[in-house]
Amino acid sequence: NAGVTQTPKFRILKIGQSMTLQCTQDMNHNYMYWYRQDPGMGLKLIYYSVGAGITDKGEVPNGYNVSRSTTEDFPLRLELAAPSQTSVYFCASSYPDGGEAFFGQGTRLTVV
Amino acid sequence: EDQVTQSPEALRLQEGESSSLNCSYTVSGLRGLFWYRQDPGKGPEFLFTLYSAGEEKEKERLKATLTKKESFLHITAPKPEDSATYLCAVQAPQGAQKLVFGQGTRLTINP
Repeated sequence: NAGVTQTPKFRILKIGQSMTLQCTQDMNHNYMYWYRQDPGMGLKLIYYSVGAGITDKGEVPNGYNVSRSTTEDFPLRLELAAPSQTSVYFCASSYPDGGEAFFGQGTRLTVV
Repeated sequence: EDQVTQSPEALRLQEGESSSLNCSYTVSGLRGLFWYRQDPGKGPEFLFTLYSAGEEKEKERLKATLTKKESFLHITAPKPEDSATYLCAVQAPQGAQKLVFGQGTRLTINP
């Protein structure tokens, strides 16, 4: 059982470049999330989705976009990368009560 | 605004030395409080959910408790494999899809 799978694990971007972080889950969860984690800080919610075709902003959405065309996939798009987006990104999914979330292994992104 | 503060930021114990981690929270109506464990380079892994003051949950050497203002994660006779960062998160009713996380406590158990 794969759970939540994120790709890539590591990436270095130059300022102004764009990229998509991939996330897929095989647990048939309706709810999916993107968080970022900076050193010594808690996880901050970027975007979330309660089902295919439905997305909404979290605490820190600026500079990011998401889409949810299927239950399984929830990609995160970075347009015009900035150094402030250097972070570790986690995708997660959960059942509709939103509590017990299952996390992927993370993507460590560095913008130089 | 919902807030979660964890203390201490880091804790170093000897194997077998019991202690507690604190999670203080401010939320307008608590729907649930969650504890996660995070190993270096990995995603958080779910440990416990607590819903109401007075509730307790146990798993091996860990016990989580909840009051109206804070939660404690008690670690009894810890082993080196308990070394990890422990994260606390709260869920408010109006933000049912959203968890607000604390900054975590980095726990190191020395053999």
